[in-house]
Amino acid sequence: AQKVTQAQTEISVVEKEDVTLDCVYETRDTTYYLFWYKQPPSGELVFLIRRNSFDEQNEISGRYSWNFQKSTSSFNFTITASQVVDSAVYFCALSEAQAAGNKLTFGGGTRVLVKP
Amino acid sequence: DGGITQSPKYLFRKEGQNVTLSCEQNLNHDAMYWYRQDPGQGLRLIYYSQIVNDFQKGDIAEGYSVSREKKESFPLTVTSAQKNPTAFYLCASRPEGQRRYGYTFGSGTRLTVV
Repeated sequence: AQKVTQAQTEISVVEKEDVTLDCVYETRDTTYYLFWYKQPPSGELVFLIRRNSFDEQNEISGRYSWNFQKSTSSFNFTITASQVVDSAVYFCALSEAQAAGNKLTFGGGTRVLVKP
Repeated sequence: DGGITQSPKYLFRKEGQNVTLSCEQNLNHDAMYWYRQDPGQGLRLIYYSQIVNDFQKGDIAEGYSVSREKKESFPLTVTSAQKNPTAFYLCASRPEGQRRYGYTFGSGTRLTVV
């Protein structure tokens, strides 16, 4: 079973629409960390946010916001008033103690296409 | 500024050739990782290393080899045994044992077989 599931493979919106990316994870750890990365067309993955399992406060950074719900094991990401520059692939990732090699576990990614 | 440098950005390989992708970091990170990404796909782990002179196979290690002679460097060789090497390759690093930190990624190498 996948540990990090991003059920939406691709989302297409028109500029200024809001878009929400879902991320559902699975872990037995009580302390863990969740991350979101953005991969623009250039290819490099850019870190967006980290959330630890003890902090369920939602976070907002400009047009980006994150909703962490431990009860549903979800860490969803919303882009408000999307812009063409938001077109990218977005990855959710999990860091847990039991991961061999200190590895992150990535979801399959969600491609967001924002049309002008 | 600290970071990860991957080179070259683009690489072309002829059938039957071995090629080596470079990954250098100056972040003083212990752990380093190589991922492969095919078009429209997610990240697949090739190899990783948590300490100098030691490395482990990831999920798709066949046809690849690595070395870790220095903390800063983790080169990946794509051998002729890799039948479908055309892909985007990403190198990443992370402080060992520091779960609160995510990966720092390089900018990637795009490998094409010609």
